[in-house]
Amino acid sequence: AQSVTQLDSQVPVFEEAPVELRCNYSSSVSVYLFWYVQYPNQGLQLLLKYLSGSTLVKGINGFEAEFNKSQTSFHLRKPSVHISDTAEYFCAVRRDDYKLSFGAGTTVTVRA
Amino acid sequence: NAGVTQTPKFQVLKTGQSMTLQCAQDMNHEYMSWYRQDPGMGLRLIHYSVGAGITDQGEVPNGYNVSRSTTEDFPLRLLSAAPSQTSVYFCASGRDRGYEQYFGPGTRLTVT
Repeated sequence: AQSVTQLDSQVPVFEEAPVELRCNYSSSVSVYLFWYVQYPNQGLQLLLKYLSGSTLVKGINGFEAEFNKSQTSFHLRKPSVHISDTAEYFCAVRRDDYKLSFGAGTTVTVRA
Repeated sequence: NAGVTQTPKFQVLKTGQSMTLQCAQDMNHEYMSWYRQDPGMGLRLIHYSVGAGITDQGEVPNGYNVSRSTTEDFPLRLLSAAPSQTSVYFCASGRDRGYEQYFGPGTRLTVT
């Protein structure tokens, strides 16, 4: 069964505009959620994580995400993007077997 | 700390050849894993290890072997390369399988 669904495969956005990347998950264990970013020709870096506590999580580079238990979502947002935010973004969730499951990724292209 | 290192960065193999992808981490993490990344499929877990001497299969283990003789090193062996193994391979480590992972820079493998 698919554990993570990233609803958009590609998101084009203009510089200084806001962006939202959508992620829905399925998991019956305690929910641990992550967003990673992959810049071109690099490995993945952790942007932010939700383990418990406040449902609004702030990460690096001005990104934040909101955990919504009733909608099983963990959408990523940034109020104003830069050219340097062009990258692929992956949502991940801890599965029932306690391993991480990754979504298929969302490619964000920021244009001037 | 160097974090997670992988060698080589690029490799071209002919069908039927074997090779070993190297991975090392200096963060004293018990958990290490190998993923492959293919377009539109996110990251898929090949093999993982929860400590020295302990390994297990992930989602796509066929054609790959691993061993973990030390905490630091987790090599991935391709036994007889096939074109379907053309991919980008990432090694990752973490404190546990369900927590955040730290990724290496990746190895881009082409099998002709």
